[in-house]
Amino acid sequence: EVQLVESGGGLVQPGRSLKLSCAASGFTFSNYYMAWVRQAPKKGLEWVATISTSGSRTYYPDSVKGRFTISRDNAKSSLYLQMNSLKSEDTATYYCARRVGNGFPFDYWGQGVMVTVSS
Amino acid sequence: EIVLTQSPTTMAASPGEKVTLTCRASSSVSYMHWYQQRSGTSPKLWIYETSKLASGVPNRFSGSGSGTSYSLTINSMETEDAATYYCQQGSSYPPTFGAGTKLELK
Repeated sequence: EVQLVESGGGLVQPGRSLKLSCAASGFTFSNYYMAWVRQAPKKGLEWVATISTSGSRTYYPDSVKGRFTISRDNAKSSLYLQMNSLKSEDTATYYCARRVGNGFPFDYWGQGVMVTVSS
Repeated sequence: EIVLTQSPTTMAASPGEKVTLTCRASSSVSYMHWYQQRSGTSPKLWIYETSKLASGVPNRFSGSGSGTSYSLTINSMETEDAATYYCQQGSSYPPTFGAGTKLELK
């Protein structure tokens, strides 16, 4: 059974940093692109980052580029999101997701972890 | 960036009623995917590559479309179908989501 379990969320002050983790199991982690998607309270879904199977290629939207870094450790089947210079608009539930196939849908999602940026 | 516009924003349907949700893209995309999100839970892939049902999705659901116009149809609304549905395209970077359609039970 595919499982994605996020951790590392919490309350953080604006301008500070936070690192999220996602532990994957039930599939060969190193064979899949992985991603982070976030959802602000009562809002829709926003893609945050994607990483290639080896970790050599990463992709970000302009809203987080230069502040967020996605990485992975295939030996540990783990995905990470380092978030720096956090802003109040980064407040959201962050989901780890597996990317697959044609047109790149996200076929499995974690339960999500809440990040609140507030003073 | 490809903008996805979903309509309606909110709707209510009675059990047994046929429901159609639409998603329009600002530019042509190769595929559209749909997610179901029930209150307080993570999104679930529901329909992928425009018309393929994800594992466990009842066959009263169907997806169709091409180019810039896509739809998700429920043949006969059931209680458990009440949720928010999001469309998503990954053909062009950045991947984008629609704002969602909240489907309620009447």
